[in-house]
Amino acid sequence: GAVVSQHPSWVICKSGTSVKIECRSLDFQATTMFWYRQFPKQSLMLMATSNEGSKATYEQGVEKDKFLINHASLTLSTLTVTSAHPEDSSFYICSARRDSYTPLMYFGPGTRLTVL
Amino acid sequence: AQTVTQSQPEMSVQEAETVTLSCTYDTSENNYYLFWYKQPPSRQMILVIRQEAYKQQNATENRFSVNFQKAAKSFSLKISDSQLGDTAMYFCAFMKWAGGTSYGKLTFGQGTILTVHP
Repeated sequence: GAVVSQHPSWVICKSGTSVKIECRSLDFQATTMFWYRQFPKQSLMLMATSNEGSKATYEQGVEKDKFLINHASLTLSTLTVTSAHPEDSSFYICSARRDSYTPLMYFGPGTRLTVL
Repeated sequence: AQTVTQSQPEMSVQEAETVTLSCTYDTSENNYYLFWYKQPPSRQMILVIRQEAYKQQNATENRFSVNFQKAAKSFSLKISDSQLGDTAMYFCAFMKWAGGTSYGKLTFGQGTILTVHP
């Protein structure tokens, strides 16, 4: 089966610092990766679509300069939360798909970000 | 734009019984996929079942089945013989599908927390 990993699984940082979260497809090449944000007991909200070798496409209302996304290779996408503040504390989930000809999406286990 | 609505924030069921989770959606698209995902306490998203809009036959996966009513834009999930391991948050989701390709973006409902009691 297709496996997607995220690192770290949990990160605590001080307000004002930047945090990088990695999303890797372990056994397949992902042309597209997606980043979601989830608050406790709430739904997943799509933040951005990450395509290898091109700029990410952000959803309306998501600050591009706040949430930097880089899809450097077919197996790695990173989300950097810049100048993090307590309101950025959330659960961040990535997903990946092999290509555009399948509806199947593979999810990472998520990263819990706590900003003090 | 698509919207997905789950009107049951929480549900509970006794072990071995059957429970149905509701989902309605709104779209002007003709071709799309609908999904039910499960998110247990570990928070790992797990695909439960999927349905292609152009297929009239309802999808089934072991104890899980759907009632897909395209005209009514309804997509409910039935869990038979509920097990303790079914305790999780369940999300209904929509994906646009066109020309044999997917846009990849999933639109999720608000979720339903299901608790299975022994």
